Amino acid sequence: DVKVTQSSRYLVKRTGEKVFLECVQDMDHENMFWYRQDPGLGLRLIYFSYDVKMKEKGDIPEGYSVSREKKERFSLILESASTNQTSMYLCAVRPGLDNSPLHFGNGTRLTVT
Amino acid sequence: DQQVKQNSPSLSVQEGRISILNCDYTNSMFDYFLWYKKYPAEGPTFLISISSIKDKNEDGRFTVFLNKSAKHLSLHIVPSQPGDSAVYFCAATALHYGGSQGNLIFGKGTKLSVKP
Repeated sequence: DVKVTQSSRYLVKRTGEKVFLECVQDMDHENMFWYRQDPGLGLRLIYFSYDVKMKEKGDIPEGYSVSREKKERFSLILESASTNQTSMYLCAVRPGLDNSPLHFGNGTRLTVT
Repeated sequence: DQQVKQNSPSLSVQEGRISILNCDYTNSMFDYFLWYKKYPAEGPTFLISISSIKDKNEDGRFTVFLNKSAKHLSLHIVPSQPGDSAVYFCAATALHYGGSQGNLIFGKGTKLSVKP
């Protein structure tokens, strides 16, 4: 099973700060995803990447960007954090075939004050 | 527009009884469905899936039923245990269309509480 590690469990940042959320997988899978989870809204896809330097917008990309310089690492960037970006951020990896389930990291709880 | 709907935000069940979690979808291109379970402060973990060519899939205490004509699926947990208490997410994808259509669309989740 692929292991997905998100570098921080909890983060507190100030409005306007640039924030980096890091996600690392321990295998060589191509597809990686960033979701946010909010109460009453479920999981919403922010960005995904299907290979190094390749990225595509998900359903709610506004205010975010991503970086995938190496296959194992997928970073989510909040260019200028705002309070409405306070959320649980979840990174996921899809191993192999399209019908293989996503494997999620434990999440980063980000609070923007 | 919400493509995957879980209309019950919460469900409470007695230990040993059946838990039934429901999910409706609107996109007729969806052809693969998954259930995930999420404990607080952890990422979601995959539970069970079903392809649109089937109407039932079983794995131990967990069974997923798919009614394509009604665009409805349900997750049955029998017997329910206190350790099943978690938030359950239904997810769907249009697998055969590929590309971004192959991404998962999640429902809002149902919080299941199993009481001893």
